Amino acid sequence: DTAVSQTPKYLVTQMGNDKSIKCEQNLGHDTMYWYKQDSKKFLKIMFSYNNKELIINETVPNRFSPKSPDKAHLNLHINSLELGDSAVYFCASSQENQPQHFGDGTRLSIL
Amino acid sequence: RKEVEQDPGPFNVPEGATVAFNCTYSNSASQSFFWYRQDCRKEPKLLMSVYSSGNEDGRFTAQLNRASQYISLLIRDSKLSDSATYLCVVTEGGGGADGLTFGKGTHLIIQP
Repeated sequence: DTAVSQTPKYLVTQMGNDKSIKCEQNLGHDTMYWYKQDSKKFLKIMFSYNNKELIINETVPNRFSPKSPDKAHLNLHINSLELGDSAVYFCASSQENQPQHFGDGTRLSIL
Repeated sequence: RKEVEQDPGPFNVPEGATVAFNCTYSNSASQSFFWYRQDCRKEPKLLMSVYSSGNEDGRFTAQLNRASQYISLLIRDSKLSDSATYLCVVTEGGGGADGLTFGKGTHLIIQP
């Protein structure tokens, strides 16, 4: 049973398109996150979300928007994709101040 | 600005040796500390939490020095399977995005 699952695992698309990545966790955690890991392998947090609050890293372009239909899901929508968006995107979940559990990652390639 | 600094390496270490990494953090209000391991093209996985009193898990020992604001990871009797990138993670409470900082990771290569 996968604790944090995200789909798709690979996403290849053209510049300018709009795409979504889905994430689900079955751990009962209160908080979910999205991270971006670029070609230099630096893992950077983009968003965190719990039932009460969405916290956005101010460096994230507003083309990126998280959407949470319920506590177990946090999807990532990306509008007008750019070349620089190519990266691996990881979803994660945790309880407050507890270690995070990561999904397998979505490898996004922009053509 | 909140920063977590790690030596990126790579550390090339012979199998069976002992290796240690440090990680420094800038925010003295930081509350929780973790070491994660990330294998190539895989997701980060929790290796161990770091407690003020220090803690050990098999061949791995983690230490926290709040006064000097650094945490360390010691690996004894290193195995080929220990080759990975080790990420230092510092949280500042609240669980939100503004309280979580990952280091850039230290790349470890265990050589036969």
